[in-house]
Amino acid sequence: EAAVTQSPRNKVTVTGGNVTLSCRQTNSHNYMYWYRQDTGHGLRLIHYSYGAGNLQIGDVPDGYKATRTTQEDFFLLLELASPSQTSLYFCASSAGTESDYTFGSGTRLLVI
Amino acid sequence: GDSVTQTEGLVTLTKGLPVMLNCTYQTTYSPFLFWYVQHLNEAPKLLLKSSTDNKRTEHQGFYATLHKSSSSFHLQKSSVQLSDSALYFCALSDRGATGGLSGKLTFGEGTQVTVIS
Repeated sequence: EAAVTQSPRNKVTVTGGNVTLSCRQTNSHNYMYWYRQDTGHGLRLIHYSYGAGNLQIGDVPDGYKATRTTQEDFFLLLELASPSQTSLYFCASSAGTESDYTFGSGTRLLVI
Repeated sequence: GDSVTQTEGLVTLTKGLPVMLNCTYQTTYSPFLFWYVQHLNEAPKLLLKSSTDNKRTEHQGFYATLHKSSSSFHLQKSSVQLSDSALYFCALSDRGATGGLSGKLTFGEGTQVTVIS
């Protein structure tokens, strides 16, 4: 079954710490996305990718880097984590521009 | 830029009653709208989508009609069930500078629906 798998499910880190969130999809989708979900803001796009090696900047990219190493794998990097990055992070994939998203189960990140 | 507005943050209603969740959007280009539903501790899932003006789209008892004249895509259901308690997001597919779909979605803030018995 096609799926989007995120790891870890939960993460606690200290301010200034390094965090990598992982996402793997088995949908054979070209498009992958990283969103953060915060109460009162809905889902906001951080970075996205059209394929391996491709990166596009989303709407709230500050403090985040991303890397798409293969068609399946998309990583989100927080190199100097701050408490403002405490959030629920979702990865998603889609087949194309008119296709709906398949979301992962989310990573809950707490920066203390 | 593109934007989506959901006016109700919280909706509480009794089982069996109808519901309408408002969604309006702003875009320069031809719109492509989505509704996603997120149950507690789960990932968002597609409920329905449309890019056709004045055509009703239905799925799992929910329905919505895209009205380009009023820039709206309200979600409705005739009779809500307890299992409809969830967070509902309206989303607009982004178009790039040339008007082509980019694959990005702009989400509204979401409406939390709680159905009580």
